[in-house]
Amino acid sequence: RKEVEQDPGPFNVPEGATVAFNCTYSNSASQSFFWYRQDCRKEPKLLMSVYSSGNEDGRFTAQLNRASQYISLLIRDSKLSDSATYLCVVFHGSSNTGKLIFGQGTTLQVKP
Amino acid sequence: GAGVSQSPSNKVTEKGKDVELRCDPISGHTALYWYRQSLGQGLEFLIYFQGNSAPDKSGLPSDRFSAERTGGSVSTLTIQRTQQEDSAVYLCASSPRSGGLAHEQYFGPGTRLTVT
Repeated sequence: RKEVEQDPGPFNVPEGATVAFNCTYSNSASQSFFWYRQDCRKEPKLLMSVYSSGNEDGRFTAQLNRASQYISLLIRDSKLSDSATYLCVVFHGSSNTGKLIFGQGTTLQVKP
Repeated sequence: GAGVSQSPSNKVTEKGKDVELRCDPISGHTALYWYRQSLGQGLEFLIYFQGNSAPDKSGLPSDRFSAERTGGSVSTLTIQRTQQEDSAVYLCASSPRSGGLAHEQYFGPGTRLTVT
């Protein structure tokens, strides 16, 4: 079983739609959680951190459920420019070392 | 300012040859990571350097893979006796913080390695 699991999609949605991605992680000791975005043939870039209380950044809302070991990302009013692969990422480690574990990614295609 | 740079951007090599991939992190970043990404796959952690601490090599897939970080800055990933399954994009990332806060990683553009 992969440590971070995501539905690879693709999710094909029309402009203006609301779309949600889910992710589960297996290590209950994971400490921090993130969504990264990766455009085709480009490097990943941090989209947003995910906090237990939930957090919002414009059209993007991230939620964390530690009890269920579940993370979500909601995108409202989808734009063509949102088309990309969204990577669910968890961090765990000690104070001296730690690493990010990346999910396989969920591909989003926003159509006109 | 300058981001993470990697060279070469593309490398085609014959099976059995050795290759060296280079990463220049963002100046002042203490943490440096190497990942690889095969076509249609997620990122696979390879190795992590943090300051002067011993590197975390737990992700290296075999002893043909090694990495160094000189002077706390530039890093080189070496793959000896390359195999076709080594073909992938090798990504380097650096982070300005350590330990539990080392989550905001800045990635380089990657080196696309093709082993023929």
